[in-house]
Amino acid sequence: GAVVSQHPSWVICKSGTSVKIECRSLDFQATTMFWYRQFPKQSLMLMATSNEGSKATYEQGVEKDKFLINHASLTLSTLTVTSAHPEDSSFYICSARDRILPIYEQFFGPGTRLTVL
Amino acid sequence: KQEVTQIPAALSVPEGENLVLNCSFTDSAIYNLQWFRQDPGKGLTSLLLIQSSQREQTSGRLNASLDKSSGRSTLYIAASQPGDSATYLCAVSNGNTPLVFGKGTRLSVIA
Repeated sequence: GAVVSQHPSWVICKSGTSVKIECRSLDFQATTMFWYRQFPKQSLMLMATSNEGSKATYEQGVEKDKFLINHASLTLSTLTVTSAHPEDSSFYICSARDRILPIYEQFFGPGTRLTVL
Repeated sequence: KQEVTQIPAALSVPEGENLVLNCSFTDSAIYNLQWFRQDPGKGLTSLLLIQSSQREQTSGRLNASLDKSSGRSTLYIAASQPGDSATYLCAVSNGNTPLVFGKGTRLSVIA
């Protein structure tokens, strides 16, 4: 159990285009989902926290108008990178927390590698 | 603000050795601590989760301990194998807050 999927697993796009990444909890309901970004040989940095049905909370330094997050249901959150530029190229990983389990364990998706040309 | 530090940053050992990876965190008021493995270009694999009330967790050749009061955790890998080569990440949560990650330890096990 506790499987999180991401789609696509990788994407290449031209500078200036927008890219949408989906994150789904397959066998549990996730009240809260998190989006992380990882640059090469660096650790995961939290970008934002999203709660189902409400606006996402962004970490300092993350542009909310550039990284649009929607958490429309208990099993789906989306991250849209708007007007992508080469510096947005990174590994994006989503995480979900089971609303039932009391231990606050986070489950992670396999990641999406974004390359902006 | 919680900060997580992992030492060493990189480690290379011959196959068969037992090894210890270290993790420290600045705010001891954590709810749980997780150890993950990450292979190059891949996502995270959860290895062990220790709740704040626990002192250790074991899974196969892996043993993780937690000393909450001193802000430390160790991941012990017994009889290391080349397949253990990966980056190991430590992360802590204060409960409702998201996991905060260390920078990881890159492990190479040489056959």
